[in-house]
Amino acid sequence: GAGVSQSPRYKVAKRGQDVALRCDPISGHVSLFWYQQALGQGPEFLTYFQNEAQLDKSGLPSDRFFAERPEGSVSTLKIQRTQQEDSAVYLCASSLGGAYEKLFFGSGTQLSVL
Amino acid sequence: SQKIEQNSEALNIQEGKTATLTCNYTNYSPAYLQWYRQDPGRGPVFLLLIRENEKEKRKERLKVTFDTTLKQSLFHITASQPADSATYLCALEGNGQNFVFGPGTRLSVLP
Repeated sequence: GAGVSQSPRYKVAKRGQDVALRCDPISGHVSLFWYQQALGQGPEFLTYFQNEAQLDKSGLPSDRFFAERPEGSVSTLKIQRTQQEDSAVYLCASSLGGAYEKLFFGSGTQLSVL
Repeated sequence: SQKIEQNSEALNIQEGKTATLTCNYTNYSPAYLQWYRQDPGRGPVFLLLIRENEKEKRKERLKVTFDTTLKQSLFHITASQPADSATYLCALEGNGQNFVFGPGTRLSVLP
């Protein structure tokens, strides 16, 4: 497709369950970002990839959060043993990767942990 | 500590007026700053980028200014329309290569 695609669109998990969120960036985009957005707040940075290399994971809130992009295209954000405070919208964005590049966002995955 | 603030959580203006949104930052030295629009249930959409050596940037009814001395960017929408109602986010380069977003301002343009 022409844009960034995220799946699932909605995910309901029971506390303690593991979840995996998928992001298909725009073809050819080198950089990929994951953000977490709480209701009424701006997106909070989680992690950044350049091709398959995870260059910055400083925003991951705990070691329960793990992201990968093994072939430099599709990325997966995994959350283990989900907690209620993990409930948020998880946004994926991609860019061509040069300086001053704009981000193209997907519509996000809304995660609800019960 | 590092911080990005946007003037108000919500802003209501009358159709046809100019909306002015503010983005202030502390303890960042960005080479550029971006503005995004976000509609409910959607991801942010890029609007404008302004570099540190540019004072002003325009695109149709949108205008952005960037004052690195005041550490502030202003975002203007002239001749506002109800379709401009959305949340507007400023973003700047953080430490490393990530982008840091402000909390957003929810703009409502009333007919």
